[in-house]
Amino acid sequence: NAGVMQNPRHLVRRRGQEARLRCSPMKGHSHVYWYRQLPEEGLKFMVYLQKENIIDESGMPKERFSAEFPKEGPSILRIQQVVRGDSAAYFCASSPDRVDSNQPQHFGDGTRLSIL
Amino acid sequence: RKEVEQDPGPFNVPEGATVAFNCTYSNSASQSFFWYRQDCRKEPKLLMSVYSSGNEDGRFTAQLNRASQYISLLIRDSKLSDSATYLCVVNAGKSTFGDGTTLTVKP
Repeated sequence: NAGVMQNPRHLVRRRGQEARLRCSPMKGHSHVYWYRQLPEEGLKFMVYLQKENIIDESGMPKERFSAEFPKEGPSILRIQQVVRGDSAAYFCASSPDRVDSNQPQHFGDGTRLSIL
Repeated sequence: RKEVEQDPGPFNVPEGATVAFNCTYSNSASQSFFWYRQDCRKEPKLLMSVYSSGNEDGRFTAQLNRASQYISLLIRDSKLSDSATYLCVVNAGKSTFGDGTTLTVKP
């Protein structure tokens, strides 16, 4: 009964390095969402993906951030040339259908990214 | 104006108290609504869906008022374990989370 699996749980990077965050949705779920939570702030939507498609990336910063959800394998959130301001908790959620279908999202444990 | 706005916290209440949170949303086309709780910056966990007719789950009651565009969460007989941040979620093509309301239940 595996839920949404995120790894790593904690990731430390130096400024300028790349960070790759992985998310495997719950079994049977084909919709993946990424959120970022900065320290002392609320949860902010970043991107919504289906298999091989980006549906909504309106919350993604224009530069350095990208996301994919390939046909095989987990969804990847990639941050290039990380800066101190990228330090945050990154949560992934999945649902079996579109958000409009009244299906709630289920969250993974998150990845805590720390930039030195 | 934010798409989803919640009561500013924190709420500090004694055990056994009844507490209510409100959440307003701006998109009249919103189709589904949920309450989540988040403990100590762990992952948000679904508390309950919010249905048009209102729904209850034990000590928790959720209501939706489409005309006024708000949802509410009522917690009766508060327990220490209810201490958490409560997030309202509004879906209209994508999910929008409120910033959360922090509840602390004290002995």
